[in-house]
Amino acid sequence: GENVEQHPSTLSVQEGDSAVIKCTYSDSASNYFPWYKQELGKRPQLIIDIRSNVGEKKDQRIAVTLNKTAKHFSLHITETQPEDSAVYFCAASRIPTFGRGTSLIVHP
Amino acid sequence: DVKVTQSSRYLVKRTGEKVFLECVQDMDHENMFWYRQDPGLGLRLIYFSYDVKMKEKGDIPEGYSVSREKKERFSLILESASTNQTSMYLCASIGLNYGYTFGSGTRLTVV
Repeated sequence: GENVEQHPSTLSVQEGDSAVIKCTYSDSASNYFPWYKQELGKRPQLIIDIRSNVGEKKDQRIAVTLNKTAKHFSLHITETQPEDSAVYFCAASRIPTFGRGTSLIVHP
Repeated sequence: DVKVTQSSRYLVKRTGEKVFLECVQDMDHENMFWYRQDPGLGLRLIYFSYDVKMKEKGDIPEGYSVSREKKERFSLILESASTNQTSMYLCASIGLNYGYTFGSGTRLTVV
């Protein structure tokens, strides 16, 4: 089955800095890579996703890049704001296998 | 907006009890899932279902079973609850656009 590794487990940045979270996956057949944001006490919510036929996708301050050859994908958040503080999960494949999550803390 | 509703937000059960966690979605999605979420372990798939009366084991099915008698409802059953099943349980459904919609979760404590 699929195995997804996510790093770092915690990330602390100053407001306005960029944040990058990286994931690797094992199954070369995986073709769908979503990212979820989970605020404290709330359900995970899809924030961006990418399919294997695309190398990069951007939505305002967030972007995801995919390197299928190396089997890794990354979430990039620019101009971070305190409300970006949350746990972020990456996943791979249509029946997603999730990474263990990254706790992002944005200090005002 | 897809709504995925879990019947209980918090549950406290005794060891050995049979526990039912209910999940209902309102968008005619065929695929439904149960995860448990534990600190440092992320989201782990327990069971999923592609269609009515159909079920597949996920990564950690031991101690759990499921029921899908109607398309909109997917139930997770703990046959004999144990303390190591204390966790947050999340239900999700998935549509044609692939993205999951999660329920708000049930925090189960087994004492």
